[in-house]
Amino acid sequence: KAGVTQTPRYLIKTRGQQVTLSCSPISGHRSVSWYQQTPGQGLQFLFEYFSETQRNKGNFPGRFSGRQFSNSRSEMNVSTLELGDSALYLCASSGRSFSGANVLTFGAGSRLTVL
Amino acid sequence: DQQVKQNSPSLSVQEGRISILNCDYTNSMFDYFLWYKKYPAEGPTFLISISSIKDKNEDGRFTVFLNKSAKHLSLHIVPSQPGDSAVYFCAASKIQAGTALIFGKGTTLSVSS
Repeated sequence: KAGVTQTPRYLIKTRGQQVTLSCSPISGHRSVSWYQQTPGQGLQFLFEYFSETQRNKGNFPGRFSGRQFSNSRSEMNVSTLELGDSALYLCASSGRSFSGANVLTFGAGSRLTVL
Repeated sequence: DQQVKQNSPSLSVQEGRISILNCDYTNSMFDYFLWYKKYPAEGPTFLISISSIKDKNEDGRFTVFLNKSAKHLSLHIVPSQPGDSAVYFCAASKIQAGTALIFGKGTTLSVSS
């Protein structure tokens, strides 16, 4: 069973540009979530998409957006990049463990550097 | 305001001994707690979870203990192996928040042979 695939793995942008990251979830998973990981703030929830609808959103500015397609693939976009947006962006698809917890399966991430 | 805290940034343990990773939380409304481990250049990998109505869950070498009165949970790894060397994240979730987990900042475990 293929895991969560994220592209690109690494990218460098300059301030003011925009970036689009892509995520393909595990086959059959309809929920895709995005997280930002930085050394200072750790892992922070960005948003979740389920059946092409945003179901939940974290505390990030409107420059961060996403969408999900009918095949469950998801993209996230960051517009007007700032230096502080440099981070590892992780995508996860979810299924439940037998205990009932919402278990996330993460991709390897997209490392964004903003110069 | 950190709702989930891992106060030890790092832990070193010898192979074969027990590793104990700790996590504190402030919100008594969490429904589940989860542990993830992360190797460099990989995404976090789910290890084990525990419901807030339990006080212990075991899976092979990994056991998680939950002390609700102290708002504290711990992950025990017995016996520790060099391959366990990774960053371990504690996370908490509320059912109504879906996949919006709240993560601690992680503890780097080093297991020496």
